[in-house]
Amino acid sequence: QKEVEQDPGPLSVPEGAIVSLNCTYSNSAFQYFMWYRQYSRKGPELLMYTYSSGNKEDGRFTAQVDKSSKYISLFIRDSQPSDSATYLCACDSWGKLQFGAGTQVVVTP
Amino acid sequence: EAQVTQNPRYLITVTGKKLTVTCSQNMNHEYMSWYRQDPGLGLRQIYYSMNVEVTDKGDVPEGYKVSRKEKRNFPLILESPSPNQTSLYFCASFPRTPDNEQFFGPGTRLTVL
Repeated sequence: QKEVEQDPGPLSVPEGAIVSLNCTYSNSAFQYFMWYRQYSRKGPELLMYTYSSGNKEDGRFTAQVDKSSKYISLFIRDSQPSDSATYLCACDSWGKLQFGAGTQVVVTP
Repeated sequence: EAQVTQNPRYLITVTGKKLTVTCSQNMNHEYMSWYRQDPGLGLRQIYYSMNVEVTDKGDVPEGYKVSRKEKRNFPLILESPSPNQTSLYFCASFPRTPDNEQFFGPGTRLTVL
């Protein structure tokens, strides 16, 4: 079983809707939690990182971590067609990163 | 411009022919790492380095070697490539603690025949 589980999707939403993405993890040693966006044929780019339970907001993006449940989430408000990409969650323990499989998101105009 | 560069971007080779994929960063980051990305398996960490002369295995290190002689460079070496190493490879560079300054390279698509 993978240490970080993520639904691969695809997740299709209409423009303007809220996109909700989730991951679960099993290793209590993870300290940092990240979300990346990856467009086709490109390297991942960091969207959000957190290191404690709670919410972190950056523009249209909100990252949520619940360490007690080992659950991390990313919300994208007012989604745009340009948000169509694969979103990867990642958990870090002293430099050893574990990625989820990635969720493909399609925002339709 | 802050960036991670990888070379080559595309490579087709044959089984057993040693190859090196270079990775270089210009941000003075301590941490560098190599990943491979395969359909259905996502990104898997091969090796990582917390600083010069400090390297450690990730989840899938078999068949790969790395070295970190200088802070800016972290080459990935395949001594005897095999077809199951056909993949998309990414190098990444982070500062000591992950923050907004994280960069992935553009990727190297390797095919081993």
